[in-house]
Amino acid sequence: QVVLTQSPSASASLGASVKLTCTLISGHINYAIAWHQQQPEKGPRFLMKVNNDGTHNKGDGIPDRFSGSSSGAERYLTISSLQSEDAADYYCQTWNTDVGGVFGGGTKLTVL
Amino acid sequence: EVQLVESGGGLVQPGRSLRLSCAASGFTFDDYAMHWVRQAPGKGLEWVSGITWNGDSVGYADSVKGRFTISRDNAKKSLYLQMNSLRTDDTAFYYCSKDLGWGLAATMFEYWGQGILVTVSS
Repeated sequence: QVVLTQSPSASASLGASVKLTCTLISGHINYAIAWHQQQPEKGPRFLMKVNNDGTHNKGDGIPDRFSGSSSGAERYLTISSLQSEDAADYYCQTWNTDVGGVFGGGTKLTVL
Repeated sequence: EVQLVESGGGLVQPGRSLRLSCAASGFTFDDYAMHWVRQAPGKGLEWVSGITWNGDSVGYADSVKGRFTISRDNAKKSLYLQMNSLRTDDTAFYYCSKDLGWGLAATMFEYWGQGILVTVSS
């Protein structure tokens, strides 16, 4: 069974950068994942797909400030030049043939 | 512009049924798999069900298997979720989502609706 682990919270200052991490459980470290952003009181928004080789494909209209990368079992979302509207919950997600869609627990990002 | 608009939510008693609909526009509906994802108030996201582009293959989370049925009407560009034997722990916002691809493999949820609230309570 695929498990995705995320830190429950993160914080960074306005204008700074932050790197969020999603960790795949051992045995599934080759999986690609997606990052989704959910601003308060809104539906989720697809940010990008991050492959195990570190390449990423962003969704429509996603600013250049958002980028993805990978190292081993970890998938990263980096947000640079943080803006107030980046304060949101960030979920990583993957797919497993046996269980279907799998989400991490989410990281709540606070912009100070 | 891709748009996904859910409807059919509301308050329902435990054990009763409800049918959700999702109207899609802005893309070639019958080229893509579609999904339902839910979120209990204050909780994280949970995949509920998915269906391939032509409806030939479906999948369900264990928590809804045997109670929920996903379907689609490509002519109407619509996705449905029939929810039977509803329980209080089915209370959640339900989101319709478009897949990046046509099948149920390596799925990534590319577009999301705004969600519809289903409340199961006596």
